[in-house]
Amino acid sequence: SQTIHQWPATLVQPVGSPLSLECTVEGTSNPNLYWYRQAAGRGLQLLFYSVGIGQISSEVPQNLSASRPQDRQFILSSKKLLLSDSGFYLCAWSVSGSTDTQYFGPGTRLTVL
Amino acid sequence: GDSVTQMEGPVTLSEEAFLTINCTYTATGYPSLFWYVQYPGEGLQLLLKATKADDKGSNKGFEATYRKETTSFHLEKGSVQVSDSAVYFCALSRSNDYKLSFGAGTTVTVRA
Repeated sequence: SQTIHQWPATLVQPVGSPLSLECTVEGTSNPNLYWYRQAAGRGLQLLFYSVGIGQISSEVPQNLSASRPQDRQFILSSKKLLLSDSGFYLCAWSVSGSTDTQYFGPGTRLTVL
Repeated sequence: GDSVTQMEGPVTLSEEAFLTINCTYTATGYPSLFWYVQYPGEGLQLLLKATKADDKGSNKGFEATYRKETTSFHLEKGSVQVSDSAVYFCALSRSNDYKLSFGAGTTVTVRA
């Protein structure tokens, strides 16, 4: 069966510091991978998605970037965090070639102070 | 563009009460429809889905029917438990788009 991991689970960072969140998927090959942000009172916002290694599509221009260095690894980064980057970050995957069901990880709670 | 509208919460119920959360959508073509549930501090879990008109998705006592004529996918459960307290999200996807369009979420609290 497939599993999806995210770490860290929680993170508190000062404004201006860098960020690296990691997501890995097990039990499937060449999945589509997604990063979402859930900010308080603002619902779920798709940030990036990837259909293969090195292929990143950005949905919303912002202070963040994503990379996919390996088939089942998806990383969300920032060089300098802003207060507005605080939120709950969710990674998700779907079957290769499918735009149907997405399966979500446990999330990372980021607080920028 | 695609959009999903679901009833605003919060919704507070007593145990064994009937739950309905309304969801309507706007989309071209024939989207797939989903309900996800988020328990406190956790990620989203797929609750149920339907991929074509008149399909009924069901899981853990929850049901939703894909109604093309009313563009709706209302979530129902006949007898809720305290453990059903969570945030529920309605969502849609289209075959040519990697993005899931989510509703704003409905917070449900079930009291013993």
